Amino acid sequence: AQKVTQAQTEISVVEKEDVTLDCVYETRDTTYYLFWYKQPPSGELVFLIRRNSFDEQNEISGRYSWNFQKSTSSFNFTITASQVVDSAVYFCALSENWNSGNTPLVFGKGTRLSVIA
Amino acid sequence: ETGVTQTPRHLVMGMTNKKSLKCEQHLGHNAMYWYKQSAKKPLELMFVYNFKEQTENNSVPSRFSPECPNSSHLFLHLHTLQPEDSALYLCASSQGEAGGITGELFFGEGSRLTVL
Repeated sequence: AQKVTQAQTEISVVEKEDVTLDCVYETRDTTYYLFWYKQPPSGELVFLIRRNSFDEQNEISGRYSWNFQKSTSSFNFTITASQVVDSAVYFCALSENWNSGNTPLVFGKGTRLSVIA
Repeated sequence: ETGVTQTPRHLVMGMTNKKSLKCEQHLGHNAMYWYKQSAKKPLELMFVYNFKEQTENNSVPSRFSPECPNSSHLFLHLHTLQPEDSALYLCASSQGEAGGITGELFFGEGSRLTVL
């Protein structure tokens, strides 16, 4: 069964600090996809990134970077030089790849990030 | 115009009321989803529709009744709800089934439901 754990419920940082959001997942499949979504106060979840299980290369997009480690089943998300606009709830999610297609996303409980000016 | 629109944004209802939540997507997607977001709980998948056909019902109580008349519209009919059903109900869509080619879900802003 799939499971996503985000152990950090809430994090507060001062603007310009770096912050890492942790995500640990469980799956029995060898082919799966990992995601990060951002939920600002307006409510809608915004897609940030998707990684497949065969691509462990870390990715950087502006101030965002992701560290995928299959050995520890982790997919951590780092925001460099955080800004107040980064304040949101961040969700990690997992989808397994079956012969019939991908399973619907299973989400972690989310981490609420507050960036203080 | 946003890709996925949900109405109403806020709804307060009594336990004996009947109401409906509406979701409309303007992205040409084939799959639509209902998720429930309660305080301090993971997002819970409720229903999945693929090409108007329900492909997943995640053990949701029958007081929640989904309807998908076409690939662009999704409803969640509510009746005799309980206070613990108070939550943010999020609609999402994707190109293809269950996350589709890119796996990306597009979410609406949600309908905040309060059951008194």
